[in-house]
Amino acid sequence: QVQLVESGGGLVKPGGSLRLSCAASGFTFSDYYMSWIRQAPGKGLEWVSYISSSGSTIYYADSVKGRFTISRDNAKNSLYLQMNSLRAEDTAVYYCARTGGSGYSYAVDYWGQGTLVTVSS
Amino acid sequence: QSVLTQPPSVSGAPGQRVTISCTGSSSNIGAGYDVHWYQQLPGTAPKLLIYGNSNRPSGVPDRFSGSKSGTSASLAITGLQAEDEADYYCQSYDSSLSGPRVFGTGTKVTVL
Repeated sequence: QVQLVESGGGLVKPGGSLRLSCAASGFTFSDYYMSWIRQAPGKGLEWVSYISSSGSTIYYADSVKGRFTISRDNAKNSLYLQMNSLRAEDTAVYYCARTGGSGYSYAVDYWGQGTLVTVSS
Repeated sequence: QSVLTQPPSVSGAPGQRVTISCTGSSSNIGAGYDVHWYQQLPGTAPKLLIYGNSNRPSGVPDRFSGSKSGTSASLAITGLQAEDEADYYCQSYDSSLSGPRVFGTGTKVTVL
């Protein structure tokens, strides 16, 4: 079965850095677009970034552009999010998510359990 | 500030029908892009509920249905049950944004 397991969250000071990882299993990782989606405490969902199956196409939300970098290692079935220059407003649960193929109209068909990032001094 | 607007909350008694609207514009829903819906139960990750405007993934009860018209989409829940109490989000694609995939503002469904 499809599993997405995030790790790397924690407490970091403003201006600091953190690297999130997502270990994927149960499907052919290299066939799917992947995304990071976040949810601030008590708030709605925000698409942070997504990356194509080969890694050649990447998009970022304006709120993180220039500070966050998404990457993937298809040989290791892993997705990453390097977060630099962190701000208090980056505090959120970060979800790793798989974009389903054309059969699901490219909706997000699987989500990880999420990892909490807290930016505070 | 999302480009897809949903009512903050809707409520209904068990067995009733409730609808959640998702209002967009000509650069997203009105441009013909698909709308998807997600359900987020308290303390859990979101789950895909409706994809491609009106399709249910395997395992989603047929009490849930989706539709799209013009620049808006709707999610309907018929025969409301206690376990439907959750947050619901629409999602689509917006050609005017640099990170073009966008979620709606979210709607809390309360079962009275």
